[in-house]
Amino acid sequence: EAQVTQNPRYLITVTGKKLTVTCSQNMNHEYMSWYRQDPGLGLRQIYYSMNVEVTDKGDVPEGYKVSRKEKRNFPLILESPSPNQTSLYFCASRPRGGRRTQYFGPGTRLLVL
Amino acid sequence: GENVEQHPSTLSVQEGDSAVIKCTYSDSASNYFPWYKQELGKRPQLIIDIRSNVGEKKDQRIAVTLNKTAKHFSLHITETQPEDSAVYFCAASIGGGGGADGLTFGKGTHLIIQP
Repeated sequence: EAQVTQNPRYLITVTGKKLTVTCSQNMNHEYMSWYRQDPGLGLRQIYYSMNVEVTDKGDVPEGYKVSRKEKRNFPLILESPSPNQTSLYFCASRPRGGRRTQYFGPGTRLLVL
Repeated sequence: GENVEQHPSTLSVQEGDSAVIKCTYSDSASNYFPWYKQELGKRPQLIIDIRSNVGEKKDQRIAVTLNKTAKHFSLHITETQPEDSAVYFCAASIGGGGGADGLTFGKGTHLIIQP
């Protein structure tokens, strides 16, 4: 089944404790992105990647890192999480060209205490 | 960068009536405009999209219109049903390789279908 997966789905952590949220897609998509969703603010892009080893900042990149060592994986790294990073995070992927439909993962709900 | 405004933030309609959600965008280079539906606790899912070379697109009870001159686009849902209750997001993208790939989303409209 074609899908985008994220792990973990729920995470409670404390300020300053490094964490990684994994994202994987099995559709051979070139493009991958991370978004955060906050009440009243909609979805905002954090980082995106157009292919392996090619990443760039989105609208709200501060406090986050990403890497794209393999085409299928695009982990989101919070080196020193803070309470303002408490949010719902979505990974998404899409193929290069053609219809630009973004396929979203199931989401990761993060609480930073 | 691109800025997308979406109105209204909440829309309540009677079952069977029509619902219209409107969005405006700022960057005239944007050429792809999808609409996503997000049910409670679920991921956003594409329901319809339109490219800038088309003025209108319809899929059963859902239609999207685009006015490039005015830089606004709208989602129209006819004969609303309870399962249409959700949050709807519009988005705009420049896309086209080489530039930023992401979608810029509106803040969402909570559509409530009253029985």
